[in-house]
Amino acid sequence: QKEVEQDPGPLSVPEGAIVSLNCTYSNSAFQYFMWYRQYSRKGPELLMYTYSSGNKEDGRFTAQVDKSSKYISLFIRDSQPSDSATYLCAMSRNQAGTALIFGKGTTLSVSS
Amino acid sequence: EAQVTQNPRYLITVTGKKLTVTCSQNMNHEYMSWYRQDPGLGLRQIYYSMNVEVTDKGDVPEGYKVSRKEKRNFPLILESPSPNQTSLYFCASRGFDSPGYNSPLHFGNGTRLTVT
Repeated sequence: QKEVEQDPGPLSVPEGAIVSLNCTYSNSAFQYFMWYRQYSRKGPELLMYTYSSGNKEDGRFTAQVDKSSKYISLFIRDSQPSDSATYLCAMSRNQAGTALIFGKGTTLSVSS
Repeated sequence: EAQVTQNPRYLITVTGKKLTVTCSQNMNHEYMSWYRQDPGLGLRQIYYSMNVEVTDKGDVPEGYKVSRKEKRNFPLILESPSPNQTSLYFCASRGFDSPGYNSPLHFGNGTRLTVT
């Protein structure tokens, strides 16, 4: 079983839809969870960061971590065409984050 | 502007011809890292450096070398490239000045390498 599993999609939704992106993981030592967004021909950029279990909200984005189920989610409300990108989950055992494990990424397309 | 700069953006070379991909950051970050991104495999860490003269292997270090002689630079060296090193490469950096883990990993815009 891979350490981090993420459905690659692609996922296509109309503008305004609620999008749910998910990752599962197998290593219970992961404590730090992140979502990165990667536009075409660009490097990934940090979108959300959470520590341990719980929810975190930032504008239209909400990150959820359920450590008991080893499952993390990113919700995008009122999706916009500018949200079209690849979304990568990432997680780390240590606070320094020197050994981030990335999911393979989910490609999202939001049509206007 | 705070950034991580990689050069070149695109590189086509032949098997066995030594090459270097440069990476430079202007944020005075201690930590720097190299990743490769392949379809179906995602981002995988090649090498990382916690500070000047301190480097360590990531998950896929075979066939690569790095050096960290200056804080701002972290070049990736392929002594004898092979076709299985054809990939999209990213350099990244972050600082440890902020408490906790709120400081993000800053990525460059990638180097697409093709080895024939």
